Amino acid sequence: DAKTTQPTSMDCAEGRAANLPCNHSTISGNEYVYWYRQIHSQGPQYIIHGLKNNETNEMASLIITEDRKSSTLILPHATLRDTAVYYCIVRVYGGGADGLTFGKGTHLIIQP
Amino acid sequence: NAGVTQTPKFQVLKTGQSMTLQCAQDMNHNSMYWYRQDPGMGLRLIYYSASEGTTDKGEVPNGYNVSRLNKREFSLRLESAAPSQTSVYFCASTVQLESYEQYFGPGTRLTVT
Repeated sequence: DAKTTQPTSMDCAEGRAANLPCNHSTISGNEYVYWYRQIHSQGPQYIIHGLKNNETNEMASLIITEDRKSSTLILPHATLRDTAVYYCIVRVYGGGADGLTFGKGTHLIIQP
Repeated sequence: NAGVTQTPKFQVLKTGQSMTLQCAQDMNHNSMYWYRQDPGMGLRLIYYSASEGTTDKGEVPNGYNVSRLNKREFSLRLESAAPSQTSVYFCASTVQLESYEQYFGPGTRLTVT
């Protein structure tokens, strides 16, 4: 699986868009980018995933660069409840038996 | 639609006691997982079930057993609890094993004294 690099922490003002970057320069052509978050003392929460096209759902948007070496998760209107650790992971579809493993992630703090 | 539910939310056991953690999902998912997460650490896979009737070991299966009771339910049993099993236990489910789009329960916080 490709290695990912994320900033350790970020701040964002409530109501603004939170843009969380992830670098995955060694990604292979068949690897997907997944984003999860974990709010303190809660279970991890799936956010979104993509292969090469930009994706949007009710929670967030995922922008993947054309060369696929980096991506950005966008929370369009951040609220205090979005304060969490956000994890970017890269996985080949079909390897789910390995389970999920998270790196350090980005601690996003939404400021009032 | 409750998603993934886990019981109990909290549990304190003495060394050597046994208990079963329950997990149920109502999303008609085929695959289910049990993870543990120690303070400040990432997730570690204990067991998984690709589909009803099958179970397989994950990264850290020692000291645990599982049962995939039906498509909805996947339980985790500690036969003889040890302090090293103090952790937060998460159950997760996904449509099929190949996917990493997993949905997690709220967790069971277990302390073994």
